[in-house]
Amino acid sequence: GDSVTQMEGPVTLSEEACLTINCTYTATGYPSLFWYVQYPGEGLQLLLKATKADDKGSNKGFEATYRKETTSFHLEKGSVQVSDSAVYFCALSPTLAGGTSYGKLTFGQGTILTVHP
Amino acid sequence: KAGVTQTPRYLIKTRGQQVTLSCSPISGHRSVSWYQQTPGQGLQFLFEYFSETQRNKGNFPGRFSGRQFSNSRSEMNVSTLELGDSALYLCASSPATSVPGELFFGEGSRLTVL
Repeated sequence: GDSVTQMEGPVTLSEEACLTINCTYTATGYPSLFWYVQYPGEGLQLLLKATKADDKGSNKGFEATYRKETTSFHLEKGSVQVSDSAVYFCALSPTLAGGTSYGKLTFGQGTILTVHP
Repeated sequence: KAGVTQTPRYLIKTRGQQVTLSCSPISGHRSVSWYQQTPGQGLQFLFEYFSETQRNKGNFPGRFSGRQFSNSRSEMNVSTLELGDSALYLCASSPATSVPGELFFGEGSRLTVL
């Protein structure tokens, strides 16, 4: 079945450091790929998405490129801020036989990011 | 526009009891999905409803069930609670016209089973 593997955490960085969180996936067909973020005490929020190979999703300074050849979707940010401290989840929306599913996501385990001033 | 609303936010039950959780999606969103979040298993898909019909189901026992009403509001029920059912239950909605997988999540209902 489909699966998502993301970098084990926690990750601790100083403000203005570069961030990379690795994410690889296994899926049949052509899934859409996502990064969701969960801030302390809040629900998940969509951070960025990519729907086909070579698409680059970007938002709030974060970027990720859909690499079909390496089945990867690594999250990057050039300069992190304290406010970026959160849990980051890589996810995929599968290609399903028999119709589209709008709500079924397979998530990675999540990576806790802590940014210190 | 109001976000996804889940009630109750916190609840404590004992083994063997049952629980019902409620979710009101964003106005106009027709797809509602449920997820279980635990430290050990992470985020796992429970089921998805669209126009009052269950479209997809995750790998959970039959004790977990749900339904969707004509106004798109959804409920999930867990019967004969076990200690392992302690988790954060997240509801998510989608307009079902956007990219599949682009979801709007509520803040969750935290269930503790004693």
